[in-house]
Amino acid sequence: DGGITQSPKYLFRKEGQNVTLSCEQNLNHDAMYWYRQDPGQGLRLIYYSQIVNDFQKGDIAEGYSVSREKKESFPLTVTSAQKNPTAFYLCASSGQGANEQFFGPGTRLTVL
Amino acid sequence: KQEVTQIPAALSVPEGENLVLNCSFTDSAIYNLQWFRQDPGKGLTSLLLIQSSQREQTSGRLNASLDKSSGRSTLYIAASQPGDSATYLCAVHPWMEYGNKLVFGAGTILRVKS
Repeated sequence: DGGITQSPKYLFRKEGQNVTLSCEQNLNHDAMYWYRQDPGQGLRLIYYSQIVNDFQKGDIAEGYSVSREKKESFPLTVTSAQKNPTAFYLCASSGQGANEQFFGPGTRLTVL
Repeated sequence: KQEVTQIPAALSVPEGENLVLNCSFTDSAIYNLQWFRQDPGKGLTSLLLIQSSQREQTSGRLNASLDKSSGRSTLYIAASQPGDSATYLCAVHPWMEYGNKLVFGAGTILRVKS
């Protein structure tokens, strides 16, 4: 089955910890994205990558970091510098250019 | 800066009713507009993608229209069913933005009562 997988489904973080969210796709898409969703709000873009070894900050990149070492993978690290990380995190991918985006099932992160 | 607004924020209808969800955007310079469905606690499912040169797209009971000059799109759902209950999100891809960056509305929560 082609698609996007995210793990874990639920993640709990203690204050001061860094945590990494996984995103893998087998759609052979060049572009990948990370979004954050808070209750009652639309999705906000954290980081995106158009090609391997290249990525750009989105609208709310502070306190987050990413890497893009493989075409299939785009992990997101939520660092201790992110003061309000409790949210639903969604990964997406698309072909190059203005193409349809496809989303993974999401990871819910909660700070204890 | 592009902003996307969806009205109403929530909608409750009886089964079988035809309904319209609205999406408006402030800047008409867009590549395309995409409608998504989101079930509680789940990811987004792409429903329809309308390119800026198109007026509408249809998939089954769904029809999405685009009026770029007025900054509006509508999602029409025919003969609604309880299984249509979900949050519906629209997103636009602004023109001249590097990368396929989408700007999302906050969504319309739809409940179809049986």
